[in-house]
Amino acid sequence: NAGVTQTPKFRVLKTGQSMTLLCAQDMNHEYMYWYRQDPGMGLRLIHYSVGEGTTAKGEVPDGYNVSRLKKQNFLLGLESAAPSQTSVYFCASSRSRRTSSYNEQFFGPGTRLTVL
Amino acid sequence: EDKVVQSPLSLVVHEGDTVTLNCSYEVTNFRSLLWYKQEKKAPTFLFMLTSSGIEKKSGRLSSILDKKELFSILNITATQTGDSAIYLCATRGTGANSKLTFGKGITLSVRP
Repeated sequence: NAGVTQTPKFRVLKTGQSMTLLCAQDMNHEYMYWYRQDPGMGLRLIHYSVGEGTTAKGEVPDGYNVSRLKKQNFLLGLESAAPSQTSVYFCASSRSRRTSSYNEQFFGPGTRLTVL
Repeated sequence: EDKVVQSPLSLVVHEGDTVTLNCSYEVTNFRSLLWYKQEKKAPTFLFMLTSSGIEKKSGRLSSILDKKELFSILNITATQTGDSAIYLCATRGTGANSKLTFGKGITLSVRP
């Protein structure tokens, strides 16, 4: 099993450009999450999904959109990138509480994004 | 709003020392507290704690939860340079979506 994978690993954008980050998991997890990590700020939840076709806002959703068309994939989009979105982005997935009481989140390796 | 506070924010020790990392929380409808270790890349899961007073142990690492005083500690004995990492504490409420609220993390540096 590959676990949680993210593409790309690195990206540099200019202000105003758009891009999509892809997260894929092969563990058949129901829940998926997108976080950003900034120095001194810990991990902050951007958006999450509790199942195929459903998404919800997290703590810092502004400037981002997400889609979960397939259970195994969770896409994070930046429509018009801003320097404030320079960060490391982590995707995570977990089982639902319906299927397991032990549902820690498994993280992908991260995407380092720089917006100039 | 749920809140997780970790202390100290950073720590430098020498190999062989014992360290204690602290995590306090304010969570509506608390369900569990999790510890993660983050080295260069993705956080990796260490422990999940749901009951007070029951120590979880894995090698030189151990953790315990106090639900009355709303805190948890992560102990590392006989530290090694490979223990150098950011240690993240997170809490989960009883909502169905399993969202985690993370603290800012504790940066531990173990010097030879």
